Amino acid sequence: DAKTTQPPSMDCAEGRAANLPCNHSTISGNEYVYWYRQIHSQGPQYIIHGLKNNETNEMASLIITEDRKSSTLILPHATLRDTAVYYCIVRPRGGATNKLIFGTGTLLAVQP
Amino acid sequence: GAVVSQHPSRVICKSGTSVKIECRSLDFQATTMFWYRQFPKQSLMLMATSNEGSKATYEQGVEKDKFLINHASLTLSTLTVTSAHPEDSSFYICSAAGEGRTEAFFGQGTRLTVV
Repeated sequence: DAKTTQPPSMDCAEGRAANLPCNHSTISGNEYVYWYRQIHSQGPQYIIHGLKNNETNEMASLIITEDRKSSTLILPHATLRDTAVYYCIVRPRGGATNKLIFGTGTLLAVQP
Repeated sequence: GAVVSQHPSRVICKSGTSVKIECRSLDFQATTMFWYRQFPKQSLMLMATSNEGSKATYEQGVEKDKFLINHASLTLSTLTVTSAHPEDSSFYICSAAGEGRTEAFFGQGTRLTVV
């Protein structure tokens, strides 16, 4: 079973920040939070991951609450090409050879 | 990011025939590869995990004799759908991971249609 809860869909205006929430209230101390996205009819694309500190890369920022029970993925300036299903996944520490179990994700629709 | 290539991207086959899908990691050694299936408007479902040189580990409910997985080298894994039926029509996606890497990389997927 997926260990995360995400809203099924969200809208965002082009050029504005998209804030995608994820609840992972049962996360354990050795689990990371990963975010992937899937554009229609393509394979998923890695975005970012974190353990407890906030993380930022060229694609997005990840904000993890202090109790680690929830997180928010932020796309600072959403474009139409960011329309996709965004998946929040928790996975044990141990590297990429641990399997990823996908939940239902959030369909982000960026509107012009 | 690393490149994972799947082939073919689309395939149509007749019911009862077998289809092989290849997954290649082009710029790193993939010690572990994962195979997923995705039906329309649904999420990805993990089918099996394969480690180079050993037998694949299948998820509950996935028939190992129907979905044959071979991971004979650090750059190639194959999924063979044997005796395909229309209900096997789906989007099949592979993912590759290597030791020391913090994330897995996905292929572009294969759309299988069984007629």
